Amino acid sequence: RKEVEQDPGPFNVPEGATVAFNCTYSNSASQSFFWYRQDCRKEPKLLMSVYSSGNEDGRFTAQLNRASQYISLLIRDSKLSDSATYLCVVNSAGYQKVTFGIGTKLQVIP
Amino acid sequence: SAVISQKPSRDICQRGTSLTIQCQVDSQVTMMFWYRQQPGQSLTLIATANQGSEATYESGFVIDKFPISRPNLTFSTLTVSNMSPEDSSIYLCSVGGGDQPQHFGDGTRLSIL
Repeated sequence: RKEVEQDPGPFNVPEGATVAFNCTYSNSASQSFFWYRQDCRKEPKLLMSVYSSGNEDGRFTAQLNRASQYISLLIRDSKLSDSATYLCVVNSAGYQKVTFGIGTKLQVIP
Repeated sequence: SAVISQKPSRDICQRGTSLTIQCQVDSQVTMMFWYRQQPGQSLTLIATANQGSEATYESGFVIDKFPISRPNLTFSTLTVSNMSPEDSSIYLCSVGGGDQPQHFGDGTRLSIL
């Protein structure tokens, strides 16, 4: 089993739709979690950290479920500019090990 | 967050040659990281570079192929040695980690002919 698993997609959704991605992790001792956005042939950029209580930033909501060992990202009212690959990142081993998921590709369609 | 500059942004190289990638940070950082992202793949950590000590390489990566320098707290280099087409990739440096997110330079896109 991969340490961090994501559905690579692509997810093709119309503008204005709500879309959700999940990311599962195998190490129960994982300590911090992040979502990154990566545009084609660009570097990954931090979208948001994921907190145990869940957190929201505008149209984006991140959730952590430690019992089931997954994190999620919800995007409401999708925009064309949201088209990108969304990477799940998990820190573990006393914060010394950082593992990236393969990313989920989102394509928002007019 | 720190501003991270990488040079070159892209290059096309002949097989058998070597290329050194530079990473400059606008603030002092303890740990710097070097990643590779091959086409259609996620990021793979090559090594962690701490100032004043040897870099720590991940499984599958060796110092002879990817020598790293870390002469001070704001700068690091990664050399890709004796390149082959399989080394065609995006190479990224980053800072951060621990309980904080990592921030990336804008990457070096390397193609080997």
